[in-house]
Parts: sequence; structure tokens; C-alpha cells
Amino acid sequence: NAGVTQTPKFRILKIGQSMTLQCAQDMNHNYMYWYRQDPGMGLKLIYYSVGAGITDKGEVPNGYNVSRSTTEDFPLRLELAAPSQTSVYFCASRPGTGGNSGANVLTFGAGSRLTVL
Amino acid sequence: AQSVSQHNHHVILSEAASLELGCNYSYGGTVNLFWYVQYPGQHLQLLLKYFSGDPLVKGIKGFEAEFIKSKFSFNLRKPSVQWSDTAEYFCAVNADTGTASKLTFGTGTRLQVTL
Repeated sequence: NAGVTQTPKFRILKIGQSMTLQCAQDMNHNYMYWYRQDPGMGLKLIYYSVGAGITDKGEVPNGYNVSRSTTEDFPLRLELAAPSQTSVYFCASRPGTGGNSGANVLTFGAGSRLTVL
Repeated sequence: AQSVSQHNHHVILSEAASLELGCNYSYGGTVNLFWYVQYPGQHLQLLLKYFSGDPLVKGIKGFEAEFIKSKFSFNLRKPSVQWSDTAEYFCAVNADTGTASKLTFGTGTRLQVTL
């Protein structure tokens, strides 16, 4: 089915380890986003991308990196995992630019639950 | 910068009770407004959205929301909740800045519907 696919669904890391959360969408969406969700905090934007080769920081980018080599893929990398990065991570995408259209509606992946011990 | 406030953090209702969840945003220009729902163990799904036109918006599963520009509000309502409505509800705002149009989410309201 078309949509946003995230892997892995669950992961436990030790402090200082690195890993990459994968995100892929097959809807040819230009815009892709990474959010983290913490209890009582809602969703915070980590990084986003408006197209292949273009990325930018969101509200909480520290400790993370992203790349966007293709339209489909938007991986999120944690270089030195810290307990503060224990969270649920959601990738999302949407078609295009702003305006009164469905282009502003985000499609979310199922999430990746990361625990750093 | 835009911000979103959801005043109710945890709401407990009995089945058939009426629901209203508050959402206020801070941004003076044109906005797109959304309510997303997250059922237990699932990802966020769009419940309804407002872009323009009729300020009373109807979404899925009997939910509706009213955009009141003068109050910067976009409250979610449902006349009669069901046990299956137990979920977390997020209000979100997208200021039409002409850039990447990032969504800003509220902190969420956890709704628990009891039988």
C-alpha cells in the first residue's frame, strides 16, 4: 500500500551508539519531516526537507542529522545516542507547497520507538 | 513564531457524553488548521482540516470543529462519544508563510471514554 514506511519499529541503544532511522514514501511527495513525540509534549519537529538535496533544521535538531538524496527516502541519523533521545519518532510527508489544497495534509508513518539506556 | 495551546490534557467521559476539546493558536495571518487523532499504538491520522470557507468543518467519525478567527480558536466537538474514540487528539496549525509550511502541534489531549 502507498504511504510512509518507517524502520525499525523498535530499537534499544546504548549511550554513545549510533543508528539510522529509515523513512521511505512512495507517493512522490516533495516535503518530508521528522518529528519526535514525548509524553505531554506533543510533536516536535526535528528536521524537514522540501525536496531531494535540500534539508533544514526544525525546533529540536541537536543530536540528529538527515539527508535527502532521493525524493523517496529521508533517513534520520543519531550519531551519539543519549538518554534524552528516548522517544517515539514519526516521519511524515506531504505533496507540495502551501495554499488551500490537500498539499498541506501530512501523511504519517507508523513510528519508531527508540530507547537509549 | 506560531504556537498552539491545548488546554485539556486528559479528559474522561462516559459513552454518549458530548465532547469539546479546546485549541487556540497564536498567529495573526492566514492559517490552515488541523485535528489529528492517534489511537493507542497507532500513528497520527487526519481527523479534519480547515483551509478556508465555512468555518464549521466536518470530519470523519462524527467529529466537527469550528474556526473562530476572532478568538484564534479551532475547538473540536462531537455530540456523543463512543468507547472507540479513546485516543489522543492533536491540534495543529500551519501558517501560510510560503516557505516549507511547517506544522506546529499542540501538546495533545488524551481522551478516555468509559463504558
